Amino acid sequence: TQLLEQSPQFLSIQEGENLTVYCNSSSVFSSLQWYRQEPGEGPVLLVTVVTGGEVKKLKRLTFQFGDARKDSSLHITAAQPGDTGLYLCAGARGAGNNRKLIWGLGTSLAVNP
Amino acid sequence: DTGVSQNPRHKITKRGQNVTFRCDPISEHNRLYWYRQTLGQGPEFLTYFQNEAQLEKSRLLSDRFSAERPKGSFSTLEIQRTEQGDSAMYLCASSFYVNLNTGELFFGEGSRLTVL
Repeated sequence: TQLLEQSPQFLSIQEGENLTVYCNSSSVFSSLQWYRQEPGEGPVLLVTVVTGGEVKKLKRLTFQFGDARKDSSLHITAAQPGDTGLYLCAGARGAGNNRKLIWGLGTSLAVNP
Repeated sequence: DTGVSQNPRHKITKRGQNVTFRCDPISEHNRLYWYRQTLGQGPEFLTYFQNEAQLEKSRLLSDRFSAERPKGSFSTLEIQRTEQGDSAMYLCASSFYVNLNTGELFFGEGSRLTVL
């Protein structure tokens, strides 16, 4: 059972288009992180959202945490070829030594020039 | 400090051989994680340390896998009697655990293992 569902799994779009990636769960998370990974490299943290309903912007990227802290979205405006990569969401559950990150399977994005 | 460092970056080995990967975390980070990742998939948790203590091991970590962090600094992941199914990217990440809510992970560039 995948606790954190990401959709779509694959996305191929033209430069300049907008897109949204979704990260959904039936579980509540204390926080949720978005990472971007390029081929042959490790994931790099983009943002952490903590509060239900929180919206964070990072240039052309907009991240939103659902009011119930069970889901999140990443919206990219006017996508560029440099946005190509694997986008991963990871939700944090538990506390102390029991704190865990639950990972989605990722959304593979290709932005064509 | 330039971040999390992993080596080797690439390892090609024959089935049945042992391999060892090393991870040097960001120096002030107290937590160190090992993940395995196959192409186009998200990271699969293997194990993590807080300082030198190994606090959790995934069921994915068979008896052929062992990880150590002897002085609470660098860590090694050893795979004995490698199998073709072990071929993957092995990622190390570190974090400074103080905040119950965040605990962002900083990843290394990974060690890619190919078992022939």
